[in-house]
Amino acid sequence: EAGVAQSPRYKIIEKRQSVAFWCNPISGHATLYWYQQILGQGPKLLIQFQNNGVVDDSQLPKDRFSAERLKGVDSTLKIQPAKLEDSAVYLCASTTNDRFDEQYFGPGTRLTVT
Amino acid sequence: AQSVTQPDIHITVSEGASLELRCNYSYGATPYLFWYVQSPGQGLQLLLKYFSGDTLVQGIKGFEAEFKRSQSSFNLRKPSVHWSDAAEYFCAVGPTRSGGYQKVTFGIGTKLQVIP
Repeated sequence: EAGVAQSPRYKIIEKRQSVAFWCNPISGHATLYWYQQILGQGPKLLIQFQNNGVVDDSQLPKDRFSAERLKGVDSTLKIQPAKLEDSAVYLCASTTNDRFDEQYFGPGTRLTVT
Repeated sequence: AQSVTQPDIHITVSEGASLELRCNYSYGATPYLFWYVQSPGQGLQLLLKYFSGDTLVQGIKGFEAEFKRSQSSFNLRKPSVHWSDAAEYFCAVGPTRSGGYQKVTFGIGTKLQVIP
């Protein structure tokens, strides 16, 4: 079974530029999460999708971050414009509808904003 | 609101020694508890989870954890550490949201260093 795929793995941009990250969850997983992991901290949930609908985006900075999961499969997270404090690893995870199931994480995208 | 405390940011142990990583949680009802491990440059991998039943939970790679409701703790243990265990370990707590969607809150992590 293929795992959660993310691309790119690394990205360096200047502040005020835009960037997009892509995630393809495990086949059949209805729930998809985007986390932000700043160095020295645990993952912080940015947005959670159930199929193509948003379940929770309460911690997503909506003035600059956006995310979509149009067909209920893969997802894109965008930052526009980026700030220095957006430097972090962006993790994508997916899980089934079973509330007892674990979350399966991708390898993450390390973003550096200069 | 639920929260997780991992009081040890960094721990160093000798290879072959025993290991205990501490985790305390705050949650109003019976929590769902998880331990994840993150190797450098990798995503998180589940080590073990507790939902109900036996309070001593066995996981992968020889890890176990014990749920102690009276202490609001879910400490991770391993009797003999291997060099490959060097990684960062995250404790997480979660209820199910209304409607059954899973959501967890992660601690800040404990970085484990293993010395020969």
